[in-house]
Amino acid sequence: GQQVMQIPQYQHVQEGEDFTTYCNSSTTLSNIQWYKQRPGGHPVFLIQLVKSGEVKKQKRLTFQFGEAKKNSSLHITATQTTDVGTYFCAGPDAGGTSYGKLTFGQGTILTVHP
Amino acid sequence: NAGVMQNPRHLVRRRGQEARLRCSPMKGHSHVYWYRQLPEEGLKFMVYLQKENIIDESGMPKERFSAEFPKEGPSILRIQQVVRGDSAAYFCASSPGRVGEQFFGPGTRLTVL
Repeated sequence: GQQVMQIPQYQHVQEGEDFTTYCNSSTTLSNIQWYKQRPGGHPVFLIQLVKSGEVKKQKRLTFQFGEAKKNSSLHITATQTTDVGTYFCAGPDAGGTSYGKLTFGQGTILTVHP
Repeated sequence: NAGVMQNPRHLVRRRGQEARLRCSPMKGHSHVYWYRQLPEEGLKFMVYLQKENIIDESGMPKERFSAEFPKEGPSILRIQQVVRGDSAAYFCASSPGRVGEQFFGPGTRLTVL
């Protein structure tokens, strides 16, 4: 079945440093979504990328979708303590009737030291 | 517009008891998904439902687990004869269509003693 891998599993940074997490799928994705989960909280949607090579920015966050639509990255510039949490990428099922089903990566846990 | 609602937020059961987890999707959303999350792990898909229909239950154990989304009322995830390995956070998500953003509820933390 479809697999979505994320690296690194953990990332500890000093406040102000940059952070990047990478996501790789075993299959070509029609789109990729990113979610953030604060400690003790629930996943919250950040963004969806659809086009090959797409780049989207949200303030200090930059999201990229690979040309082959099998990988993606999230980069945070100048991290702040409010960025703490787990970042997940997720891709929809490869087709069929269960198109809404998402396969999540295992997530990158970001810790920011003030 | 209220978000996705789940109850209870915390549930404690003894081995062998039944657990019933409820999810009310956002208004206007007819697609519901259930995910399970173990500590410091990702979300594992369990089941995808659309009003009165199970679309995909490939992530749900074949025994003891069942899910429904009736025409009226919340979606229910039922776990019969719970075991310690069922202890996890169970998240429900909803969406207005099959494609796009999923809105997650606060989750139900199930502890099996």
